[in-house]
Amino acid sequence: QKEVEQNSGPLSVPEGAIASLNCTYSDRGSQSFFWYRQYSGKSPELIMSIYSNGDKEDGRFTAQLNKASQYVSLLIRDSQPSDSATYLCAGGQNTDKLIFGTGTRLQVFP
Amino acid sequence: GAGVSQSPRYKVAKRGQDVALRCDPISGHVSLFWYQQALGQGPEFLTYFQNEAQLDKSGLPSDRFFAERPEGSVSTLKIQRTQQEDSAVYLCASSLVILAGGPYEQYFGPGTRLTVT
Repeated sequence: QKEVEQNSGPLSVPEGAIASLNCTYSDRGSQSFFWYRQYSGKSPELIMSIYSNGDKEDGRFTAQLNKASQYVSLLIRDSQPSDSATYLCAGGQNTDKLIFGTGTRLQVFP
Repeated sequence: GAGVSQSPRYKVAKRGQDVALRCDPISGHVSLFWYQQALGQGPEFLTYFQNEAQLDKSGLPSDRFFAERPEGSVSTLKIQRTQQEDSAVYLCASSLVILAGGPYEQYFGPGTRLTVT
């Protein structure tokens, strides 16, 4: 059974702090990894993709991938209350289906 | 440009009724995926099309579920004889590329919330 594991949270951070979200995966064949943000009652919105080991930065977001440890993370700098949502980690074999974690709920308080 | 669209956004069905859920992918996107999301869970894969070919239907929970994409664009997910356990949000996603090298991002539509009473 291919799995993606996330801590369900909630992760509570003060406004302006760094939020760190983590994810592990079991399928060593997975090559593509994604972070989606999902607000309550809405559909998942893609915020980051990462395919190679190391860091990838986009604005306030940094994704990190370590294939040897089967570990993916997302850092959100200068967290804002509008970042409060559930963050879904997903992995797949490139053009194939995505396997999602259950999501980590992030709460950013003023 | 326009994103993935789905209709209806909400559907209430009596147990035993048939339902049809529609997905219109981003123009030019070759790959189309259907996922099912239960409350508090991540999306779970149902089926996958590349153009009109259904390449993977391993996630369909029973033979009551059927999906098609006859012209390689719009797709319909049909659920026959709906049961209460079918109640969930049904998400459609589309992806541009089919070749090695990526990108492989999948973009989701707003979903259809199905409630079976």
